Amino acid sequence: GQNIDQPTEMTATEGAIVQINCTYQTSGFNGLFWYQQHAGEAPTFLSYNVLDGLEEKGRFSSFLSRSKGYSYLLLKELQMKDSASYLCAVRGSDSNYQLIWGAGTKLIIKP
Amino acid sequence: DSGVTQTPKHLITATGQRVTLRCSPRSGDLSVYWYQQSLDQGLQFLIQYYNGEERAKGNILERFSAQQFPDLHSELNLSSLELGDSALYFCASSVAEGLDLTDTQYFGPGTRLTVL
Repeated sequence: GQNIDQPTEMTATEGAIVQINCTYQTSGFNGLFWYQQHAGEAPTFLSYNVLDGLEEKGRFSSFLSRSKGYSYLLLKELQMKDSASYLCAVRGSDSNYQLIWGAGTKLIIKP
Repeated sequence: DSGVTQTPKHLITATGQRVTLRCSPRSGDLSVYWYQQSLDQGLQFLIQYYNGEERAKGNILERFSAQQFPDLHSELNLSSLELGDSALYFCASSVAEGLDLTDTQYFGPGTRLTVL
């Protein structure tokens, strides 16, 4: 089967660093996406990884290890506006390479 | 603003009714995807169209149907509505149809459907 696991909820402090993990087991792997979704709003694209390693984009970085079926999103210098759900999605090989979505990690930032 | 538009923003209707949700993709995008997101749940892929043709189907109920028109806008039709159909319905668009593995989906603001 296809499975993507993320923690349901995490709490962090403003100004700190948090790492959100995502593990996946899919039939085929053609890249991993991270999206941010504020409550009641649309998901917005954050990052895409297809090769192993770390991709840095401002305060956000995303890491991928294909051999371990593992990715993480690293958020630095946390701000209150970072309170949101973070969705991990893998592009598999089935059904016209559709994205397989994790349930999301709700990140709560405390002052 | 992703450039994807959806109407209406909110829709309240009764069980047994039929509704149509509309989506206009970003300029230049040929693929449209429909997703359902129930309260505090993940995104459920419903269906994808590329340049007017159906390309992939997810967990779409037989009571639901969609189409993409020559101007590339898409409509999702939901019929015989049930209480459990209450959800946020998102449309996303992308340039390619999936064979371009870097192809990124951009989401519209969603339609919140409430079935009473």
